[in-house]
Amino acid sequence: AQSVTQLDSQVPVFEEAPVELRCNYSSSVSVYLFWYVQYPNQGLQLLLKYLSGSTLVESINGFEAEFNKSQTSFHLRKPSVHISDTAEYFCAAHSGSARQLTFGSGTQLTVLP
Amino acid sequence: EAGVVQSPRYKIIEKKQPVAFWCNPISGHNTLYWYLQNLGQGPELLIRYENEEAVDDSQLPKDRFSAERLKGVDSTLKIQPAELGDSAVYLCASSLGQVGYNEQFFGPGTRLTVL
Repeated sequence: AQSVTQLDSQVPVFEEAPVELRCNYSSSVSVYLFWYVQYPNQGLQLLLKYLSGSTLVESINGFEAEFNKSQTSFHLRKPSVHISDTAEYFCAAHSGSARQLTFGSGTQLTVLP
Repeated sequence: EAGVVQSPRYKIIEKKQPVAFWCNPISGHNTLYWYLQNLGQGPELLIRYENEEAVDDSQLPKDRFSAERLKGVDSTLKIQPAELGDSAVYLCASSLGQVGYNEQFFGPGTRLTVL
């Protein structure tokens, strides 16, 4: 069965500093990878996704993630965070065999002034 | 365009009472999902519908949980009777299809507290 591991449950960082949220998935022949963001009292929103092709994917608000097949990782990065980026971030994987989306346990990103 | 609508947003009940959650997906989305999200955890799939058919309910505790999507549009998830351990957020999501790369759109969830 597919599994997703988010290594950090909480990441505090100062405003304008860079951040990396780590995600590892269990190996699969074919896998689609996603990052979702959840703001307080709101539903999950898709931030970015990797389906195929270029291993570096970007979101419209400055986040990027790189698919690394050899390390089975899909870490999320942003070079300079804002207060408004404070939220919980979930990594998720979908493999053809499982036919369902498996989520990690989430990383709470807190941006400090 | 309206997003996924869920009601109620919050529910507090005593154990052994029944409870029901309602979800209206995005118009035109034929795939509907119910997830359970425990505190500090990611969502876990309970059941997935393709139109009115439940195509994956392997993780739904069928002794107390039930779900329906009679006309292939909105859906109801029921718990009867509720237990203390059912306290969690129940999320509904929808997508255009069940293919893995189709984006799932999530509702705000229903936070259930069982006393």
